[in-house]
Amino acid sequence: GQNIDQPTEMTATEGAIVQINCTYQTSGFNGLFWYQQHAGEAPTFLSYNVLDGLEEKGRFSSFLSRSKGYSYLLLKELQMKDSASYLCAVRFMDSNYQLIWGAGTKLIIKP
Amino acid sequence: DSGVTQTPKHLITATGQRVTLRCSPRSGDLSVYWYQQSLDQGLQFLIQYYNGEERAKGNILERFSAQQFPDLHSELNLSSLELGDSALYFCASSVGLAGRRGGEQYFGPGTRLTVT
Repeated sequence: GQNIDQPTEMTATEGAIVQINCTYQTSGFNGLFWYQQHAGEAPTFLSYNVLDGLEEKGRFSSFLSRSKGYSYLLLKELQMKDSASYLCAVRFMDSNYQLIWGAGTKLIIKP
Repeated sequence: DSGVTQTPKHLITATGQRVTLRCSPRSGDLSVYWYQQSLDQGLQFLIQYYNGEERAKGNILERFSAQQFPDLHSELNLSSLELGDSALYFCASSVGLAGRRGGEQYFGPGTRLTVT
């Protein structure tokens, strides 16, 4: 089966930049999603990548390299409200196009 | 606000009981997904419906079942509840089938189920 790997926890400082990595098996890849989830709340959609390169949305950017099975979410000018879990989810053709979810990276922002 | 609604927000029940969770997708969305998230765990995909028909199954127990009605709302039925079923249950919706361009899912606020 496909595994989605991302670090369990990261810590960063308010105002700084942090990069959260996500790796996956390349076979059957059909798109990658990033979601933000605050504790006890619903995941909210952040970004979608299907082609190589960088997608920028304000303070958040997401990068994809299909050949390497690698993506990262870049958060700039960190704010305390960015403390949350960040979920990487990958869509594979051979899993009936269902999303396979990573366990999430818990990001802790310190003042 | 994602536009996906779920009821109830909280549910407390005893072991062995049966409950029904309800979800209304965003206007225009035909796909509904159900997920389970236990404390400090990742999202576990349970089942997907598309326009009233079951489309994909994940790690859904036989004690659990779901359906999507003609008005596109969906219900998740959990029976013979066990302590380990205590979790957040999320419903999500998307415009079409998962394989289409984009296909991002929008999540409802969840139902927190506590089995005592």
